[in-house]
Amino acid sequence: QVQLQESGPGLVKPSETLSLTCSVSGASIRSYYWTWIRQPPGKGLEWIGYIFYNGDKIYNPSLESRISMSLDTSKNHFSLELRSMTAADTAIYYCATGRMSRFASFSYWFDPWGQGTLVTVSS
Amino acid sequence: QSVLTQPPSVSGTPGQRVTISCSGGSSNIGSNTVNWYQQLPGAAPKLLIYSDNQRPSGVPDRFSGSKSGTSASLAISGLQSEDEGEYFCATWDDRLEVFGGGTKLTVL
Repeated sequence: QVQLQESGPGLVKPSETLSLTCSVSGASIRSYYWTWIRQPPGKGLEWIGYIFYNGDKIYNPSLESRISMSLDTSKNHFSLELRSMTAADTAIYYCATGRMSRFASFSYWFDPWGQGTLVTVSS
Repeated sequence: QSVLTQPPSVSGTPGQRVTISCSGGSSNIGSNTVNWYQQLPGAAPKLLIYSDNQRPSGVPDRFSGSKSGTSASLAISGLQSEDEGEYFCATWDDRLEVFGGGTKLTVL
């Protein structure tokens, strides 16, 4: 079955760039819509965006100016960069396997998720 | 302020049936399917229901989803202590995925 594992720094300084990688096992990176979601401690979920292997990407408009997503088919992993980090970006960052169906209605769901990695923004 | 509105908390006793509502609008729930995620304490979210009412393999049939118009509901029957956690609804809205604020389920 598909398994995801996030990796990256646990601490980032204000104004710096966060770089996270999600390693995929049990599935080809050429399948699915690879998704990033974050959750500030004790708060709700915020969708960051997704990338597909053909280069298609959709980003959350509220974060679009600061985000880059990429994908490496040779390493079967995908990555997130978030620039100009502030304390408001402190959160658990999850990668997730995005699945879509356009059969009758548009359906897009996440299964499975990685375990998440806590990123704290502090000097 | 979340685009989708959920009650902050619900509670029930073991064996009881509880429902969690998720209210949205024509651009989100009214146009696309709804998914539900369960987040147990200290864990990552897990898919519970997708495409309004479909259960992934491994999810007990005690969990069911429904949708009508711009609202959706998650029902949990035969409540168990291990169901205690937070539940989130989610759907697509124009150009992004939106989540409800989450509902904390307490099993008394």
